[in-house]
Amino acid sequence: EADIYQTPRYLVIGTGKKITLECSQTMGHDKMYWYQQDPGMELHLIHYSYGVNSTEKGDLSSESTVSRIRTEHFPLTLESARPSHTSQYLCASRETGYSYEQYFGPGTRLTVT
Amino acid sequence: EDQVTQSPEALRLQEGESSSLNCSYTVSGLRGLFWYRQDPGKGPEFLFTLYSAGEEKEKERLKATLTKKESFLHITAPKPEDSATYLCAVQADNYGQNFVFGPGTRLSVLP
Repeated sequence: EADIYQTPRYLVIGTGKKITLECSQTMGHDKMYWYQQDPGMELHLIHYSYGVNSTEKGDLSSESTVSRIRTEHFPLTLESARPSHTSQYLCASRETGYSYEQYFGPGTRLTVT
Repeated sequence: EDQVTQSPEALRLQEGESSSLNCSYTVSGLRGLFWYRQDPGKGPEFLFTLYSAGEEKEKERLKATLTKKESFLHITAPKPEDSATYLCAVQADNYGQNFVFGPGTRLSVLP
């Protein structure tokens, strides 16, 4: 069973607030990912990291930022939340090398009012 | 253009009525095709990895197969607890260490 955690699970916040979504994994995986998923829609990659101090933007443009200071921790930050940021945010990790599956956390459901 | 598509978009089955879900891909240098199950409001749960054409994997009522252009997820005698969205994802040469996900098939199994 994968050990990847996300907090909070649900967050309702007002426009303009700064928020950080936490993601941690205990498997020692180098590769970590953030996806955004609207209800009934596909996953879109917004950020990824191949290791400590390595972060890249994904295919979907996002106003969020990420950091990777420790292997196990990959937080996502929105400096000023807007209603358009309302979505589900999923964190995933995997082992280095091709053909290894991703393991997903439970997700954070963000609502910006 | 590389892409991953899934069909049907939604599928309703009676309990015990077997069927198949399709994942079609057009990528160069496939390195792996992955099937996931996602329940509402939760993260995807890994089911299978397929690496090469002709490969098959089984788990309980699910069986995944792979050809050079598509993968099928066969569901035999489904139960209501099999209701979920089934996602496929590919990893290919053009994507480095990243994955491309299909839009999913929403499966409902009625008792």
